[in-house]
Amino acid sequence: EPEVTQTPSHQVTQMGQEVILRCVPISNHLYFYWYRQILGQKVEFLVSFYNNEISEKSEIFDDQFSVERPDGSNFTLKIRSTKLEDSAMYFCASSLTYTEAFFGQGTRLTVV
Amino acid sequence: AQKVTQAQTEISVVEKEDVTLDCVYETRDTTYYLFWYKQPPSGELVFLIRRNSFDEQNEISGRYSWNFQKSTSSFNFTITASQVVDSAVYFCALSEASSGGSNYKLTFGKGTLLTVNP
Repeated sequence: EPEVTQTPSHQVTQMGQEVILRCVPISNHLYFYWYRQILGQKVEFLVSFYNNEISEKSEIFDDQFSVERPDGSNFTLKIRSTKLEDSAMYFCASSLTYTEAFFGQGTRLTVV
Repeated sequence: AQKVTQAQTEISVVEKEDVTLDCVYETRDTTYYLFWYKQPPSGELVFLIRRNSFDEQNEISGRYSWNFQKSTSSFNFTITASQVVDSAVYFCALSEASSGGSNYKLTFGKGTLLTVNP
């Protein structure tokens, strides 16, 4: 069964460092998303990506964040200069249309 | 703006009890989609069901059933004869169709932690 794959599963980084979180969405899907879940809290939308451009971004998604789909299969989230408050589980998701979004298993980012 | 409220933060039941998780949503769109996701202790988000706003038919899947009522803006989820493996956080989510087809982002509720005790 097709699935969304995220790497790494856990990343520890020092404050101020850049991190890149990687995702391989389901191959025939058209919409790609990043969500964030701070420990014990709800899942929050960060950004959606469609037709090779950002279609919507939340207030959380400031200039420190960027997304790319460099090669037609990978979908990456970059955080340029991490802060302690960026520590969270980051989920990548993809969907065909308005149908259900399938989520990856998440990357737990710990900023120290 | 869209909003999803899950008023129950935590529910604890004994195995074999039935349990209903409540979800109330707000949207100005006439076309929207409602979802339930399960997050087990391992942390992944598992899709359970999607409902379109124009389809109010209730659905049953094994021990799971969903009651969608547009009149009260609710989309409740019932687990019949609960089992220990049902222990998880359950999220209700809403997606609007107002973005012209360029975006189907999900707005999640805060989740309900269900603990099923043996």
